[in-house]
Amino acid sequence: GDSVTQMEGPVTLSEEAFLTINCTYTATGYPSLFWYVQYPGEGLQLLLKATKADDKGSNKGFEATYRKETTSFHLEKGSVQVSDSAVYFCALVLSATNKLIFGTGTLLAVQP
Amino acid sequence: DAGITQSPRHKVTETGTPVTLRCHQTENHRYMYWYRQDPGHGLRLIHYSYGVKDTDKGEVSDGYSVSRSKTEDFLLTLESATSSQTSVYFCAISVTGADTEAFFGQGTRLTVV
Repeated sequence: GDSVTQMEGPVTLSEEAFLTINCTYTATGYPSLFWYVQYPGEGLQLLLKATKADDKGSNKGFEATYRKETTSFHLEKGSVQVSDSAVYFCALVLSATNKLIFGTGTLLAVQP
Repeated sequence: DAGITQSPRHKVTETGTPVTLRCHQTENHRYMYWYRQDPGHGLRLIHYSYGVKDTDKGEVSDGYSVSRSKTEDFLLTLESATSSQTSVYFCAISVTGADTEAFFGQGTRLTVV
């Protein structure tokens, strides 16, 4: 069935390090892809999105490119900050059903 | 902030009792979703709605039912609560679903004892 697979965490980095969180998907058709972030004690909020192949989503220094050939949507940031510590979720929406499906989430901890 | 409210925010209930969680929106968005969040499982879709009286199952729908009699309200009912349904429940809303942002409520922490 349709699903999202994320790298397991936690990911622990020092401030200013480079971040990559891997995300791959399985879906029928051509989904839209998203990254959401959840700060402690809060609900999820959209970080970035891409709606078709080769699109790049970006926001707050984070980027992800929709790669249809590898069914991937990896999240990257060149220099992380302590304030980026949160849980990051990769997600997809199937155009046929509008069903929003999430991965298991990756906890990022950035140390000063 | 999107106008989405979940109630109650916290609830403790006994095994075997019925429980209803409410999601209320003021945005007039068509799509509404219920998820549960558990360690190691991320967010799993329980049920979703694409209009008044139009609902469909998600990946973990067993033991849950939903109703949407008005655009603004989406109710999640546990007919007979079990300890395995102890979780944090999130509601989300979306304009079109397909390529638009989903907005999330603050969550309901449910404990079944």
